[in-house]
Amino acid sequence: DQQVKQNSPSLSVQEGRISILNCDYTNSMFDYFLWYKKYPAEGPTFLISISSIKDKNEDGRFTVFLNKSAKHLSLHIVPSQPGDSAVYFCAAAGSYSGAGSYQLTFGKGTKLSVIP
Amino acid sequence: DSGVTQTPKHLITATGQRVTLRCSPRSGDLSVYWYQQSLDQGLQFLIQYYNGEERAKGNILERFSAQQFPDLHSELNLSSLELGDSALYFCASSGSLRQATGNTIYFGEGSWLTVV
Repeated sequence: DQQVKQNSPSLSVQEGRISILNCDYTNSMFDYFLWYKKYPAEGPTFLISISSIKDKNEDGRFTVFLNKSAKHLSLHIVPSQPGDSAVYFCAAAGSYSGAGSYQLTFGKGTKLSVIP
Repeated sequence: DSGVTQTPKHLITATGQRVTLRCSPRSGDLSVYWYQQSLDQGLQFLIQYYNGEERAKGNILERFSAQQFPDLHSELNLSSLELGDSALYFCASSGSLRQATGNTIYFGEGSWLTVV
């Protein structure tokens, strides 16, 4: 049972345009959501996160939106740059994990290609 | 460079064999996490250790085991290997006792395991 779903395996966007990556989750206990970026032959690197008490978090060109009622979050990249081409993973964590434990549940990833 | 070191980077072994993957966390980090990424799956959480003790368990097979040593490095032991165990195994580390935020979890570059 996949608790975090990224239904688009790939996405192509023109340089300068907006990239929108989507993620859905099923577990209502999740209260913290993260996006990771991964280049080939490297480990995932943290990009941006959002707590369930917020519906939007912005960091430079990256904005994450959270719709709790729909159990949906999205990552917007504006403007998209060729260097953004990578696999983006959505991840979720829940407070049920307890102090000292931080179990992330990942989606399968979306491969973003930004075309110059 | 995340500061998390994994060895070996690549490993090819035969079915039925046993391998050990090693991870050195970032200096000072007490938590170590192991994740598996196979071709058709996202990152799957396997197990977490905190200061030498098992803290959380995910989808880890009984053929797999892990430990964290007093110097905080960790090893993931995979035995009776099957073709389906071929995957990229990531180690990650974080430092705090409190529930960590995403930007304090750092991933290594992974160990590629191929079982033939």
